[in-house]
Amino acid sequence: AQKITQTQPGMFVQEKEAVTLDCTYDTSDPSYGLFWYKQPSSGEMIFLIYQGSYDQQNATEGRYSLNFQKARKSANLVISASQLGDSAMYFCAMREGAIGTYKYIFGTGTRLKVLA
Amino acid sequence: DVKVTQSSRYLVKRTGEKVFLECVQDMDHENMFWYRQDPGLGLRLIYFSYDVKMKEKGDIPEGYSVSREKKERFSLILESASTNQTSMYLCASRWKVGVGIANTGELFFGEGSRLTVL
Repeated sequence: AQKITQTQPGMFVQEKEAVTLDCTYDTSDPSYGLFWYKQPSSGEMIFLIYQGSYDQQNATEGRYSLNFQKARKSANLVISASQLGDSAMYFCAMREGAIGTYKYIFGTGTRLKVLA
Repeated sequence: DVKVTQSSRYLVKRTGEKVFLECVQDMDHENMFWYRQDPGLGLRLIYFSYDVKMKEKGDIPEGYSVSREKKERFSLILESASTNQTSMYLCASRWKVGVGIANTGELFFGEGSRLTVL
């Protein structure tokens, strides 16, 4: 079974609009972390935002926010005021396991295209 | 800045060749990882290491081995390359838990090595 599920292979959004990229996860660990990465066409992986399983508030980093719904096991990324430079592949990832031997599991990604 | 360096951006090899992919990080990270990235499949974990000479299998270790003789270096080895190992390979590393004020535990990635096996 998939541990990280991203159901949107591709999405379009108009410049300056907000967009939500979906991510659901599956784990039985009480302690885990959730991450979002951006991969532009150049290929580098850029860390965007992190949410810990015990964090009470949703994480925010500039125009990025993470809509964390623990009971539903979802960790959707919200990008506000989209820019052309946001066009990229976006990956959701989960850290699980014991301290010191963490594994990081990635989803299949969502390709976002921002339209002018 | 954290620097994760992969030895080759592009490689072309023949079926049956032994292939070494090298990864070096310069920030004394404990944990290092090798992933392969394929369209529609995302990043899949091949092997990871949480200390020198320590290794753990990821989700797709078949056909691969790894070596971590020094803390800064994590090598991925394809003993006998096959065409289905044509892929983008990404190395990553992370801080030890508890290091750094704002240590979220995110992975730091290299630029990737695109391997083509003919």
